Amino acid sequence: GENVEQHPSTLSVQEGDSAVIKCTYSDSASNYFPWYKQELGKRPQLIIDIRSNVGEKKDQRIAVTLNKTAKHFSLHITETQPEDSAVYFCAASMSGYSTLTFGKGTMLLVSP
Amino acid sequence: NAGVMQNPRHLVRRRGQEARLRCSPMKGHSHVYWYRQLPEEGLKFMVYLQKENIIDESGMPKERFSAEFPKEGPSILRIQQVVRGDSAAYFCASSQEDEQYFGPGTRLTVT
Repeated sequence: GENVEQHPSTLSVQEGDSAVIKCTYSDSASNYFPWYKQELGKRPQLIIDIRSNVGEKKDQRIAVTLNKTAKHFSLHITETQPEDSAVYFCAASMSGYSTLTFGKGTMLLVSP
Repeated sequence: NAGVMQNPRHLVRRRGQEARLRCSPMKGHSHVYWYRQLPEEGLKFMVYLQKENIIDESGMPKERFSAEFPKEGPSILRIQQVVRGDSAAYFCASSQEDEQYFGPGTRLTVT
């Protein structure tokens, strides 16, 4: 089955800096890669996703890149703010009603 | 447009009791997924259901755990004879296509 590795497990940055979280996946059949943000005690929230037919997608301060050949994808957050502090999870699946395999999460702490 | 609903939000059970968790998908969504999250860990897939059908239960323990999504009403995850190791947050998600949207979770504590 699919295996998703996520790094780093914790990331501390100063407000205004950029943050990058990286994930690798094992199953070349996976073609849908969402990112979730989870604040303490809250539900995971879908913040951005990418499908294998594109290499990059951007939404304001958040961007995701995908390298299908290397089987890795990354989340980039620019101009970080304290409210970006949360745990971020990457995931992989085959599109079309398929289960998600999650990475173990990255705790991002943005200091004012 | 109401999001994914789960109840109860918190559930305390003694060892050996049954836990019943409910999930109502977003309006228009016919696919439900259950995930378990242990403290400070990621989300682990348990079971995927459509109305009246279990599509994939490969992540669900063979004993004590069962799930259903009837034609009418919410999806239910049932844990019989709970043990302390069942203490976790249980999230359901629903989807119409690729995107899965999560409910607020049920935090199960087994004493």
